[in-house]
Amino acid sequence: EDKVVQSPLSLVVHEGDTVTLNCSYEVTNFRSLLWYKQEKKAPTFLFMLTSSGIEKKSGRLSSILDKKELFSILNITATQTGDSAVYLCAVESNYGQNFVFGPGTRLSVLP
Amino acid sequence: NAGVTQTPKFRVLKTGQSMTLLCAQDMNHEYMYWYRQDPGMGLRLIHYSVGEGTTAKGEVPDGYNVSRLKKQNFLLGLESAAPSQTSVYFCASGDSYEQYFGPGTRLTVT
Repeated sequence: EDKVVQSPLSLVVHEGDTVTLNCSYEVTNFRSLLWYKQEKKAPTFLFMLTSSGIEKKSGRLSSILDKKELFSILNITATQTGDSAVYLCAVESNYGQNFVFGPGTRLSVLP
Repeated sequence: NAGVTQTPKFRVLKTGQSMTLLCAQDMNHEYMYWYRQDPGMGLRLIHYSVGEGTTAKGEVPDGYNVSRLKKQNFLLGLESAAPSQTSVYFCASGDSYEQYFGPGTRLTVT
């Protein structure tokens, strides 16, 4: 059974801190790993990773994938209160368009 | 360009009632998805479609049916609602890896 695990499930930090969110997975026929940010309503896309060791970066956010150890991390540097959200990790298997999501990490950034 | 819209936004059903949730997208995407989100469980795929006239089961399809008669619309049906189907339902569409999500429908079954 395909599975995606995220840790920690929740995290409270202060503005300016750096955080690392973890995502590990077990899926058949891995195709890609995606990160989403969910604030109040719909998730919004952050990154898609398919190759090991290649860092994707967008502003203060960056992510990397390790296909040998089956995990990914999402880093956020110099956190701001606007980074408060649930961060979702999803893995796409090669079987059709099957996406398996993890439970999410709830990040709270205090002023 | 409205993106992905969902109707209704909220609904309360009694056990055994039926209803249909409508998802519409105006981005000409081939793929459409229905997810449910429950506290602490992330998003779980109910059904998806890779094109007009096609549907496929996801992780938790039992108790739901879907139809994709037009490319822009994806309908999710509950034939006989149960309290276990109380959840927030998200529709999404996409052409490859990136999915665009609708605002969600909060469904309560009493």
